[in-house]
Amino acid sequence: KNEVEQSPQNLTAQEGEFITINCSYSVGISALHWLQQHPGGGIVSLFMLSSGKKKHGRLIATINIQEKHSSLHITASHPRDSAVYICAVRSTGNQFYFGTGTSLTVIP
Amino acid sequence: DAGVIQSPRHEVTEMGQEVTLRCKPISGHNSLFWYRQTMMRGLELLIYFNNNVPIDDSGMPEDRFSAKMPNASFSTLKIQPSEPRDSAVYFCASSPGLGGYTFGSGTRLTVV
Repeated sequence: KNEVEQSPQNLTAQEGEFITINCSYSVGISALHWLQQHPGGGIVSLFMLSSGKKKHGRLIATINIQEKHSSLHITASHPRDSAVYICAVRSTGNQFYFGTGTSLTVIP
Repeated sequence: DAGVIQSPRHEVTEMGQEVTLRCKPISGHNSLFWYRQTMMRGLELLIYFNNNVPIDDSGMPEDRFSAKMPNASFSTLKIQPSEPRDSAVYFCASSPGLGGYTFGSGTRLTVV
């Protein structure tokens, strides 16, 4: 069993749609990260969360520590949002665990 | 700031050869991470350093892998001897500690 589970694995959306990617984890954490990997391979750190909600432009990340769940939302999706989104957690024991990623394709 | 700089961008080597990957973190970042990404296993943390000291190397696959951080501005990941199953993209990332990570562009390693 993976310590971090993401859903869905693949997601196709029309431009302008509201998108939600989910992440559930089974360990106690000190922080949760959302990463974005573009088709070219580069990885960008989008958010680091330990509680509540963060917003950056059209991206919103939320975390519920009690439920061990985080969501990444994209409002007014755009083809340039097409990427793989990876959830990663740093456990309270300083171990790092990664989800397998959600591949998002936004169609014009 | 040029970001996290990795070299080389691509490396093709023959099985059994020694491979050295290099990373220059962002100045002022006190944490450095080495990751490996493959299609089969996704993204994996190999080792990370805080203030140049290795904190957790439990992700290093075996003794053929070693990593060093001789100073705050340079780290190496060495594979000796290399094997075809080591073929992957190796990412280095640095962090100011409590903030998010900045990733390098990665080194695509192919061992033939």
